[in-house]
Amino acid sequence: EAQVTQNPRYLITVTGKKLTVTCSQNMNHEYMSWYRQDPGLGLRQIYYSMNVEVTDKGDVPEGYKVSRKEKRNFPLILESPSPNQTSLYFCASSSNPGYEQFFGPGTRLTVL
Amino acid sequence: GNSVTQMEGPVTLSEEAFLTINCTYTATGYPSLFWYVQYPGEGLQLLLKATKADDKGSNKGFEATYRKETTSFHLEKGSVQVSDSAVYFCALTNQAGTALIFGKGTTLSVSS
Repeated sequence: EAQVTQNPRYLITVTGKKLTVTCSQNMNHEYMSWYRQDPGLGLRQIYYSMNVEVTDKGDVPEGYKVSRKEKRNFPLILESPSPNQTSLYFCASSSNPGYEQFFGPGTRLTVL
Repeated sequence: GNSVTQMEGPVTLSEEAFLTINCTYTATGYPSLFWYVQYPGEGLQLLLKATKADDKGSNKGFEATYRKETTSFHLEKGSVQVSDSAVYFCALTNQAGTALIFGKGTTLSVSS
């Protein structure tokens, strides 16, 4: 089954404790992206990757890092999480960013 | 840059009622337009899309037409069901073609 998976689905952590949210896709897509969803703001792009070893900032990259060492994986790293990073995070992939994007199930992160 | 505005919710309807969710956009060039749906506790799923002016996207009884003259992509369904209760997002590709830009979402609640 073609899908995007994310782990963990739910995470409660404390300020300053480094964490990684994993994202994996099995569709051989070159493009991958991270979004955060906040009430009243819709979804905003954090980072994206057009291919292996090629990443770039989206609209809200502050406080986040990403890497793309393999085509299928695109982890999101929060080196020192803060409460304003409490949000619902979605990973997405596509054969081309102008085409349909396939979304993961989401990771709900709470930073205390 | 490109942007999208969709009607505020929530929208509350009775089963079999007619649905319209308005979406207008501002864009340079000719972006692709999308409607995504998010069911409770799930990620976003593509509902329909249109890639050029006058294209009509349709799926599951939902329709939307890419209107360049009015810069609109309104979502319609002739007879909603309880199972259509969800959050609906209008989206378009950004100017660089590296991301989707989402509206803030419209919550639809359908009662029997």
